[in-house]
Amino acid sequence: DAMVIQNPRYQVTQFGKPVTLSCSQTLNHNVMYWYQQKSSQAPKLLFHYYDKDFNNEADTPDNFQSRRPNTSFCFLDIRSPGLGDAAMYLCATSRGLLTTNEKLFFGSGTQLSVL
Amino acid sequence: DAKTTQPNSMESNEEEPVHLPCNHSTISGTDYIHWYRQLPSQGPEYVIHGLTSNVNNRMASLAIAEDRKSSTLILHRATLRDAAVYYCILRDDSGGGADGLTFGKGTHLIIQP
Repeated sequence: DAMVIQNPRYQVTQFGKPVTLSCSQTLNHNVMYWYQQKSSQAPKLLFHYYDKDFNNEADTPDNFQSRRPNTSFCFLDIRSPGLGDAAMYLCATSRGLLTTNEKLFFGSGTQLSVL
Repeated sequence: DAKTTQPNSMESNEEEPVHLPCNHSTISGTDYIHWYRQLPSQGPEYVIHGLTSNVNNRMASLAIAEDRKSSTLILHRATLRDAAVYYCILRDDSGGGADGLTFGKGTHLIIQP
């Protein structure tokens, strides 16, 4: 059974039209992460929530926002998608901050296309 | 953050062992070596991690050099389902813990039937 669930699997949006990607988890983990992965590149961390505390990576564009209304759900909002935002967006969770035996659990991702 | 160097791609035959190398010459004493893999059209998944000693689990083995400047992920009997990108990642697990993983380019493992 999937533990980190991302919907939809594929999302198409128009240039400049706001889009929201969703992630839910059944693991009751405290930390939820959003990664962006462009074609043939490594995943890049955008931000994460530790419980309700939001932590933004320094180079994440302002165009990207996130919400976490409760433990189970986390959303990625792209306010004005550009062609360069087309990518796979990966949600991940961990029980806590990444100390020795903690690992990340990833969803299958949402492939975003911008037309 | 200490960097890792991995070959861009490797090829192996099905049912043979695979040795995936990773160089990390600037590793610090508190860096753990983590391996994740990403199957096609999937998110990454945890494979194994270690600090100094060799480690084994049901997925793979991790051999760590005595000076810790390199390590090798060993798949004992590769199957077609092991075709993936394998990421070697250093993570400083000291203090309160790291707040995320930083992925490098990884090794694209191709398995031939």
